[in-house]
Amino acid sequence: DGGITQSPKYLFRKEGQNVTLSCEQNLNHDAMYWYRQDPGQGLRLIYYSQIVNDFQKGDIAEGYSVSREKKESFPLTVTSAQKNPTAFYLCASSSAPRRDEQYFGPGTRLTVT
Amino acid sequence: QKEVEQNSGPLSVPEGAIASLNCTYSDRVSQSFFWYRQYSGKSPELIMSIYSNGDKEDGRFTAQLNKASQYVSLLIRDSQPSDSATYLCAVKGDSNYQLIWGAGTKLIIKP
Repeated sequence: DGGITQSPKYLFRKEGQNVTLSCEQNLNHDAMYWYRQDPGQGLRLIYYSQIVNDFQKGDIAEGYSVSREKKESFPLTVTSAQKNPTAFYLCASSSAPRRDEQYFGPGTRLTVT
Repeated sequence: QKEVEQNSGPLSVPEGAIASLNCTYSDRVSQSFFWYRQYSGKSPELIMSIYSNGDKEDGRFTAQLNKASQYVSLLIRDSQPSDSATYLCAVKGDSNYQLIWGAGTKLIIKP
């Protein structure tokens, strides 16, 4: 089955710790994205990557980092510099010919206390 | 600041009726428009995309785009309780790959 996987589904961390969220896709999509969703708000773009070894900051990149060493993988690290890290994190991917159509993984709900 | 606006709801519709969801956007040059369905605690699922003025039908769903008035709507015919979800409108911005998202409309279908 082709799709996007994110792990873990729920993640709990103490303040001051870095944490890495996994995102893997076997759709052979070129582009991958990380979003954050908070209650009652639209999705906000953290980072996106169009090709391997290249990525761009989205609207709220501060306190986050990413890598794209393989086409199928786009992990997100939430660093201790992120002031309000508790949120629902969504990974998505897209590819030609419909590059604008983004498909989402199941999400990771991160709670930092 | 480019924006996408949706009524947060909840919008309550009787089972079997037509549910009408609306979305307005601020960027006149937007070309691509999307409706996603999101069940509580789950990730968004793409249900409709529309790129040109007019109507696009897919099963019980119809997307309507009016670029002159800068709005896009989603009609759901013969609404079912399983249609109860939050519906997100997304519009392609001016940079490659970036979508601008509305906050979503919560739809409740009453049996």
